[in-house]
Amino acid sequence: QVQLVESGGGVVQPGRSLRLSCAASGFTFNKYAMHWVRQAPGKGLEWVALISYDGNNKYYADSVKGRFTISRDNSQNTLYVQMNSLRAEDTALYYCAKTRIGVVNNALDIWGQGTMVTVSS
Amino acid sequence: IQLTQSPSSLSASVGDRVTITCRASQGISDYLAWYQQKPGKAPKLLIYAASTLQSGVPSRFSGSGSGTDFTLTISSLQPEDFATYYCQQLNSFPLTFGGGTKVEIK
Repeated sequence: QVQLVESGGGVVQPGRSLRLSCAASGFTFNKYAMHWVRQAPGKGLEWVALISYDGNNKYYADSVKGRFTISRDNSQNTLYVQMNSLRAEDTALYYCAKTRIGVVNNALDIWGQGTMVTVSS
Repeated sequence: IQLTQSPSSLSASVGDRVTITCRASQGISDYLAWYQQKPGKAPKLLIYAASTLQSGVPSRFSGSGSGTDFTLTISSLQPEDFATYYCQQLNSFPLTFGGGTKVEIK
């Protein structure tokens, strides 16, 4: 079945870095744009970043631009986000999600269960 | 583009008709999706392109609107519908979500 499994979360000190991964299975990964979305504890959803199916186009939320880098390895069916200069306000559950169809501006139809990132000294 | 959902919460009974609104700060055509999220779970896509029901979603859910004003309607609220609902605009970057509407049991 179609599945997304995030990993790499944990506790990290402010200013440090962390890389999250999202392993995809059950669909043709290289045909779909992919997203990262986060949710701070007790708060709403915040879109973080998007990468096109081929990795050539990337888009970011203003809150992470210049600090986070989204990437993908289509040979490994894996999505990544490299998070640098982490701040307390980056503390959240991070979800990866796929677009319903291949184009970038389509809804997110499959979500992982998330990986928790806590930024704290 | 800012999305304003209203109300932020509501109490309703099983069988009630529930309407949630989402207003965009500028026109987004029909590039709007609705999601349902239950506690401890990932969001679930309900509606895309403002009014198209995602496969497998019950027909009591419907969406309407275009431009700046959108609605999600649950025609007859069921026990499993108590959750938080979010709208999302996909018209332009950065993509944005509404603040959410929590539907609680009266």
